[in-house]
Amino acid sequence: DVKVTQSSRYLVKRTGEKVFLECVQDMDHENMFWYRQDPGLGLRLIYFSYDVKMKEKGDIPEGYSVSREKKERFSLILESASTNQTSMYLCASNSPGQTGEKLFFGSGTQLSVL
Amino acid sequence: GDSVTQMEGPVTLSEEACLTINCTYTATGYPSLFWYVQYPGEGLQLLLKATKADDKGSNKGFEATYRKETTSFHLEKGSVQVSDSAVYFCALFLMIKAAGNKLTFGGGTRVLVKP
Repeated sequence: DVKVTQSSRYLVKRTGEKVFLECVQDMDHENMFWYRQDPGLGLRLIYFSYDVKMKEKGDIPEGYSVSREKKERFSLILESASTNQTSMYLCASNSPGQTGEKLFFGSGTQLSVL
Repeated sequence: GDSVTQMEGPVTLSEEACLTINCTYTATGYPSLFWYVQYPGEGLQLLLKATKADDKGSNKGFEATYRKETTSFHLEKGSVQVSDSAVYFCALFLMIKAAGNKLTFGGGTRVLVKP
């Protein structure tokens, strides 16, 4: 069974802390994505990566960075967490395709910044 | 830029009722269109997909037809069950360059089906 695994289901951090959200996929996918999900706003793309060490900004990259040192792992980093980064974070992966290939999602990490 | 607009929820209905969730899009080319579903406590999963005009995607009793003339991809089910309670997301994909494969999502519509 294919899997996208996010390291934590719930996280509570304090303002100003550095936060790492980890995501691992076992499907050998080239593409990996980080979204945040907020009520009424749907999913908004933060960053994505189409290859090891490659990254591209999504629609809301401010306050975030990413790292992809290995194909199966994509990390989201909050350099200095703020309360407006309290959200559900979803990792996803897929292989590239002309018509948009199916995205596989992790179960999400609910981050609360106090 | 590309965008997806969905009807706001929550939508509450009784078992065996008909469900329609409206979705319209704006895109500069000819996107592929998707419906994803998120059941409580789970990640999103693909429900159905259509890649060109007049295509109909279907799965688990749900259907959606890609209408280029109205730029719409409305989701329909004739008889819902309690197990259909979830958040539904409409999304589009437009191939702009070879690298990357990102989707643009709508705001999501929460559906609650009561017994």
